[in-house]
Amino acid sequence: TQLLEQSPQFLSIQEGENLTVYCNSSSVFSSLQWYRQEPGEGPVLLVTVVTGGEVKKLKRLTFQFGDARKDSSLHITAAQPGDTGLYLCAGVRLQGAQKLVFGQGTRLTINP
Amino acid sequence: GAGVSQSPSNKVTEKGKDVELRCDPISGHTALYWYRQSLGQGLEFLIYFQGNSAPDKSGLPSDRFSAERTGGSVSTLTIQRTQQEDSAVYLCASSLELAGVETQYFGPGTRLLVL
Repeated sequence: TQLLEQSPQFLSIQEGENLTVYCNSSSVFSSLQWYRQEPGEGPVLLVTVVTGGEVKKLKRLTFQFGDARKDSSLHITAAQPGDTGLYLCAGVRLQGAQKLVFGQGTRLTINP
Repeated sequence: GAGVSQSPSNKVTEKGKDVELRCDPISGHTALYWYRQSLGQGLEFLIYFQGNSAPDKSGLPSDRFSAERTGGSVSTLTIQRTQQEDSAVYLCASSLELAGVETQYFGPGTRLLVL
């Protein structure tokens, strides 16, 4: 059972376009994290959103946590080839050994 | 070192052989995690250590998988009698909790191919 559903799983767009990646769950999380992973490397944390309705901006990337703390979105403005990579959302749980529950990822390709 | 390191970076083995994967966490991080990632997919949780103890081993796929951690530092993940479906990237992370938010730092992974 996939607790976190990411969509789309694959996205290929042209440089300069905008895009949004969604991360949805029926479960409530204490916070939610977004990671980016490049080939041959481990995931790197981009942001943690903690409060329902919270919006965080990281240059051209905007992250939003749903009011009910069950979903999140990542919006990229004016995408660049350097944004290419695998984007993973992860729900943070306070209880249990599995602290992070990962979505299956969105593989993003930005074409020059 | 400054980050989490894993060895070997790549491992090719024959079906039925045992393999041992190593993780060196960031110094001072008490929590350590092992994940498995199939090609281009999300991360599957395997096991978590707090210090040298693993409170929950239910994420391990089968009894061929085992893990240990010694001295609150280095951890090894052992896969016995490897099968082709064990082929994946095995990622290790260590974590630090700041202001109530846990941040996991990942190593580069070990790419395992079982022929």
